[in-house]
Amino acid sequence: AQTVTQSQPEMSVQEAETVTLSCTYDTSESDYYLFWYKQPPSRQMILVIRQEAYKQQNATENRFSVNFQKAAKSFSLKISDSQLGDAAMYFCAYRSAGGSARQLTFGSGTQLTVLP
Amino acid sequence: NAGVTQTPKFQVLKTGQSMTLQCAQDMNHNSMYWYRQDPGMGLRLIYYSASEGTTDKGEVPNGYNVSRLNKREFSLRLESAAPSQTSVYFCASAGYGTHNSPLHFGNGTRLTVT
Repeated sequence: AQTVTQSQPEMSVQEAETVTLSCTYDTSESDYYLFWYKQPPSRQMILVIRQEAYKQQNATENRFSVNFQKAAKSFSLKISDSQLGDAAMYFCAYRSAGGSARQLTFGSGTQLTVLP
Repeated sequence: NAGVTQTPKFQVLKTGQSMTLQCAQDMNHNSMYWYRQDPGMGLRLIYYSASEGTTDKGEVPNGYNVSRLNKREFSLRLESAAPSQTSVYFCASAGYGTHNSPLHFGNGTRLTVT
């Protein structure tokens, strides 16, 4: 079974600065997908960014980018120009490319605080 | 554009009581899921339904049952609630397409069992 580890339970960043959230995963599969979700205090789960393992290019969505290191099984999220609205719990998640179920396996989350 | 709708939003139960959490999606998705979220543990999969007519156990199925009523609806039942089932429950759905399609989540149900 796959496991996802987020080793930073809490992080903080100054507004307008850059922060990187870490995620590592364990799998024997060669093809899979990785996701970052954001959960603000409203409890809503919001997709931030996704990465296909077969793509070498790191995904980017506006101020959010990932550093995907397949050999190291690492998938970190970089938030540039941090804004107060980025304060949330962030979850890293893994999905196998095989099968039809498409369930996600989540890490334990990183609580991000943005300081004004 | 409702997406995934969960009811109720909040619920308090006494130990031993039963209840059903309802979930419906209007995106014509094939797959539906129930997760629970506990502090420090992320979201853990309880049950899922890859397609209408099928259900399978996830990581933490004990104490729960599910019903995929039709393509739209997927309910989660607690037959005899226990304090260990105090949690936030999320329903999610995913379409049948490429595997990079994200899960769409409901807004969660906060359940307290006293």
